[in-house]
Amino acid sequence: QVQLVQSGAEVKKPGSSVKVSCKASGGTFSSYAISWVRQAPGQGLEWMGGIIPIFGTANYAQKFQGRVTITTDESTSTAYMELSSLRSEDTAVYYCASGAVAGTRFDYWGQGTLVTVSS
Amino acid sequence: EIVLTQSPATLSLSPGERATLSCRASQSVSSYLAWYQQKPGQAPRLLIYDASNRATGIPARFSGSGSGTDFTLTISSLEPEDFAVYYCQQRSNWPPEYTFGQGTKLEIK
Repeated sequence: QVQLVQSGAEVKKPGSSVKVSCKASGGTFSSYAISWVRQAPGQGLEWMGGIIPIFGTANYAQKFQGRVTITTDESTSTAYMELSSLRSEDTAVYYCASGAVAGTRFDYWGQGTLVTVSS
Repeated sequence: EIVLTQSPATLSLSPGERATLSCRASQSVSSYLAWYQQKPGQAPRLLIYDASNRATGIPARFSGSGSGTDFTLTISSLEPEDFAVYYCQQRSNWPPEYTFGQGTKLEIK
């Protein structure tokens, strides 16, 4: 059973960056893929991008290309999502989610991290 | 990009009734479709994967069917804890992206 524990809530100014972490336990970190999914207030789920720790390569949704960076630290079994050039529309709960490498679903989810962008 | 369209947007039913939720893909996704349940303030929970397989620990009243472009999530007899928002999700091979439907809110009538 994989457990994903995310970092705490953040308040950021427009134009700044935020970095959210996701620490995994209960499985072999390099054997699964990690994605980031966000949910704006009252809205649906939106996939931002994902990474396969064993390969270290990330791919991103076209909407977020150039603004999001997903990385991992295998020594601490932690994944990170950094979003830059923040605007008010980026206010959302950000989730990490894990699944099999090249898998088609998300088996486990973190608890979510609220990022508020406000001047 | 494959678009998933869920219907209805809101479904009002009573406990004990049968719920049928639909998800339609803009092009074939074979059987690679998943369903999630989300309650307020909680992360989504995987219910069904590969269109018809229940995830670990999911009650038998939840079932999924379909292939290609049309999929259905059925809850055979609603329990009070089933009232939530349900999302379908698919993964495309190229570009390798995941997309979600816009959700169906299942509310108590």
